[in-house]
Amino acid sequence: NAGVTQTPKFQVLKTGQSMTLQCAQDMNHNSMYWYRQDPGMGLRLIYYSASEGTTDKGEVPNGYNVSRLNKREFSLRLESAAPSQTSVYFCATGVRGAPGELFFGEGSRLTVL
Amino acid sequence: TQLLEQSPQFLSIQEGENLTVYCNSSSVFSSLQWYRQEPGEGPVLLVTVVTGGEVKKLKRLTFQFGDARKDSSLHITAAQPGDTGLYLCAGGRGAQKLVFGQGTRLTINP
Repeated sequence: NAGVTQTPKFQVLKTGQSMTLQCAQDMNHNSMYWYRQDPGMGLRLIYYSASEGTTDKGEVPNGYNVSRLNKREFSLRLESAAPSQTSVYFCATGVRGAPGELFFGEGSRLTVL
Repeated sequence: TQLLEQSPQFLSIQEGENLTVYCNSSSVFSSLQWYRQEPGEGPVLLVTVVTGGEVKKLKRLTFQFGDARKDSSLHITAAQPGDTGLYLCAGGRGAQKLVFGQGTRLTINP
């Protein structure tokens, strides 16, 4: 039972390159989230998906796009990476009706040079 | 502007000591969660508090939600090295609107 799986775990990009972070869950949860974590900033919500077929912006959506491919998968795309997007990215899932009770993946560490 | 302020940001104590970590805000939250995160891993949910004044205990950890639902505290009794980690509070303000504090990095020295 893997829970929430993120790939890749590490990635180094040059400024302007694009990439997609993948997230898959086997918990049968409706809600999925993408957060970024920076030192001293806590976790900040980038995008979320309340259910299959819907996505909404969070606190820091600029420079990112998302796709909720199906109930299991939620991807985060950086079209033109910038050094300010260097961060650790976490995918999380949650149960409708319990918005604060999230289950996180292990994270993807992205460095943009 | 951080909606949830945690203090202290860093805490290093000896095994066996007691400690309290605080999570404060000027906003009212419908619920508040505490998570623990270890290096290289994602946060793991410890507890949810919902009612003002609520106290929950998880072994040596005691969580309290303020009467006005604007603040919370985490008290650890007789800290152990296994308690080392980053402790995050998070406040819910309705569906999909969860905000996190910046975290308290706790180190318990043997």
